[in-house]
Amino acid sequence: GQNIDQPTEMTATEGAIVQINCTYQTSGFNGLFWYQQHAGEAPTFLSYNVLDGLEEKGRFSSFLSRSKGYSYLLLKELQMKDPASYLCAVTRQQGDTDKLIFGTGTRLQVFP
Amino acid sequence: GAGVSQSPSNKVTEKGKDVELRCDPISGHTALYWYRQSLGQGLEFLIYFQGNSAPDKSGLPSDRFSAERTGGSVSTLTIQRTQQEDSAVYLCASSLGASGGTYEQYFGPGTRLTVT
Repeated sequence: GQNIDQPTEMTATEGAIVQINCTYQTSGFNGLFWYQQHAGEAPTFLSYNVLDGLEEKGRFSSFLSRSKGYSYLLLKELQMKDPASYLCAVTRQQGDTDKLIFGTGTRLQVFP
Repeated sequence: GAGVSQSPSNKVTEKGKDVELRCDPISGHTALYWYRQSLGQGLEFLIYFQGNSAPDKSGLPSDRFSAERTGGSVSTLTIQRTQQEDSAVYLCASSLGASGGTYEQYFGPGTRLTVT
């Protein structure tokens, strides 16, 4: 089976840094995605990690430790457009395909 | 270039009726995925297509749910004899290849289904 855990909600202040953690347990792990989903909208791609380490992309960075089954998404210089749900998703190889399994998401609130 | 489109955007139906939800993937994307998202919940995988075949139907909740894809493009998700617990947003995604771990999935705007 598989299990993905991330906090349900987080709050932060505009301009601050926030770290959203994700732990997972799955067989056949291939990689980990982070998606952003604004209320009422479809998820949009943020990052993909397959190797251990930090991937930086502007204000967003994502980290992966395969041995620990752990990832985090780091958001810097928070802006008022950043409130959304942040979804952690792991890819698990099943036969010839990779299956994407989503966590329940972390709802981020940003206060001025 | 157009993204993934879904229709209808909203559907209200009476319990016991059948519904069809449509997904138009990005042109050239061979893989197509259906997910369900209930209020405040994460995305629940339903079914995956590679071309016109569905190698993974493991997420379909019951035999009332079926899906098909024709011409390697448009897909239809059909729910027969709808129940109130079927109410959710149904999201479609497509990607370039069969390996979701390598290729990013692009999501459509979803169909919000309400069963009364």
